Amino acid sequence: KNQVEQSPQSLIILEGKNCTLQCNYTVSPFSNLRWYKQDTGRGPVSLTIMTFSENTKSNGRYTATLDADTKQSSLHITASQLSDSASYICVVSDRGSTLGRLYFGRGTQLTVWP
Amino acid sequence: EADIYQTPRYLVIGTGKKITLECSQTMGHDKMYWYQQDPGMELHLIHYSYGVNSTEKGDLSSESTVSRIRTEHFPLTLESARPSHTSQYLCASSDFRQAFFGQGTRLTVV
Repeated sequence: KNQVEQSPQSLIILEGKNCTLQCNYTVSPFSNLRWYKQDTGRGPVSLTIMTFSENTKSNGRYTATLDADTKQSSLHITASQLSDSASYICVVSDRGSTLGRLYFGRGTQLTVWP
Repeated sequence: EADIYQTPRYLVIGTGKKITLECSQTMGHDKMYWYQQDPGMELHLIHYSYGVNSTEKGDLSSESTVSRIRTEHFPLTLESARPSHTSQYLCASSDFRQAFFGQGTRLTVV
């Protein structure tokens, strides 16, 4: 079973609208959670990173939240643009002494229509 | 701007050929990773490294091998390429806070 679950799997919204993507994880011990944006055929690019003590982090129109108690995170995109069309991947790192491994969600494919 | 580079970006090669995908980073990161990703699908970890002379297999079984002789360099080798190896290969490196990805190598084996 994947230790990072994302929903929805895909999402279509109209330009200018807001949307929220969800990420639930079971990775333990938890170190940090990152949201990445991956354009088709490109490598993922980091949007936000949050540690255990942080519950919200903004990067322009992107706002990520983290509830470490319930092991849930969300990525809120405000006033969507056509360029927001991409896959959004939630990545959780554990706090293993030598590893700090990354666990990937399957991603949410966001499509923004004009 | 992330200082992690993969070459080549695209590679078309015949079955049975030996290939090496290059990955280099200049950030001094100890941890490096190789992921395999089919179009529209999730990333699968195939190899990772904690540091020089340390390599481990990932979650997805792969016929590729890796080496880590220098901190900045983490090449992936396929001794005999097959059509089933056609995929995108992404390299990443990380410190305790951040991970950076290369642009990927899209491999096609014909």
